[in-house]
Amino acid sequence: DAKTTQPPSMDCAEGRAANLPCNHSTISGNEYVYWYRQIHSQGPQYIIHGLKNNETNEMASLIITEDRKSSTLILPHATLRDTAVYYCIVDTSWGKLQFGAGTQVVVTP
Amino acid sequence: GAGVSQSPSNKVTEKGKDVELRCDPISGHTALYWYRQSLGQGLEFLIYFQGNSAPDKSGLPSDRFSAERTGGSVSTLTIQRTQQEDSAVYLCASSPRQGGTEAFFGQGTRLTVV
Repeated sequence: DAKTTQPPSMDCAEGRAANLPCNHSTISGNEYVYWYRQIHSQGPQYIIHGLKNNETNEMASLIITEDRKSSTLILPHATLRDTAVYYCIVDTSWGKLQFGAGTQVVVTP
Repeated sequence: GAGVSQSPSNKVTEKGKDVELRCDPISGHTALYWYRQSLGQGLEFLIYFQGNSAPDKSGLPSDRFSAERTGGSVSTLTIQRTQQEDSAVYLCASSPRQGGTEAFFGQGTRLTVV
């Protein structure tokens, strides 16, 4: 059973912000929201994670709604190298990280 | 420090043969995961080791698949009597697993069964 729902694909213009939505309406109180991405022919790469508060690092920002039922990953200035499949995962800190289908993001010049 | 290392990077084997895939996690990481990814498909969870706990084997597709983690470090994924449908990229990841932390992935082993 999928714990998250993501759009299958989205396009983004280079230099613009990319906002990737994720629904996780059945999230439990002890589950984190994780984001990973997979660039073609590479292993997945961790981006960011959060529990309740919004988070920001050098790669992206994570906005989690107050009810925690959805979140948005923001890539502030998308580059061509950001073209990848982006995975939103909810899991406990000891869970097994099950990946869904993700969102194929294509950044265009 | 080195990241997660997997070997071999590529493996071609004949149908019916056994194969062993190796994963060297990042030193000190207590959690270790195996996934596989068939061409054009998503990541399929196989098995998860966490510290000294019994591994979560719920993703192993058949009893031809097994994995061990020796001394809480190196892990070996064994596939017996390989079939063509076993062809995929096998990915290993490790994580410190303290309060919600990231998993670091290796580059994978591409297995081709001919």
